[in-house]
Amino acid sequence: GQQLNQSPQSMFIQEGEDVSMNCTSSSIFNTWLWYKQEPGEGPVLLIALYKAGELTSNGRLTAQFGITRKDSFLNISASIPSDVGIYFCAGLDNYGQNFVFGPGTRLSVLP
Amino acid sequence: DARVTQTPRHKVTEMGQEVTMRCQPILGHNTVFWYRQTMMQGLELLAYFRNRAPLDDSGMPKDRFSAEMPDATLATLKIQPSEPRDSAVYFCASGPAGTSYEQYFGPGTRLTVT
Repeated sequence: GQQLNQSPQSMFIQEGEDVSMNCTSSSIFNTWLWYKQEPGEGPVLLIALYKAGELTSNGRLTAQFGITRKDSFLNISASIPSDVGIYFCAGLDNYGQNFVFGPGTRLSVLP
Repeated sequence: DARVTQTPRHKVTEMGQEVTMRCQPILGHNTVFWYRQTMMQGLELLAYFRNRAPLDDSGMPKDRFSAEMPDATLATLKIQPSEPRDSAVYFCASGPAGTSYEQYFGPGTRLTVT
């Protein structure tokens, strides 16, 4: 089936730094979602994107629906310790048939 | 604060036993999803319901897994018989009508099959 790739797999950053991560697919998607998961919890929806080129913010988080419709990006500005977790992208393919999650980007924030 | 609830939170059982996991979706949501999460496979979609009707269960091993929604406030995922390879965290998620796959996850059921 279709798969999503996320990069980087993991990252260690200093508190206060900005973070960028991305999610790519070999085929076109018409919905992109970004989730954050903390230990022992279920993923929490951060941002949903529905149109190519769409740029949506949620506090310090900003996500973009790539213009090619094969990728999406998530940026976190001025990171804080509570940003620690695994960030998952998820997408619905162009036919509305397949919904998949990426493998995640593990973020660690150093004080 | 509306949340998806799942029971039990933890389950340890022996191989061959039946396991039933329950989920109460957020009131008013009309879509329900079941996922399995493991370190090796990540988050895998097992089944998807809309208005209590199963729309997609292609990700679910049909020989031992079954998912149902007896009513709008209860979704169940059953494994019979359970096997050690079923050990994972099982998440239920629900979504409101009219949104394309926006989902709100429960806390999960951690299943260990020995």
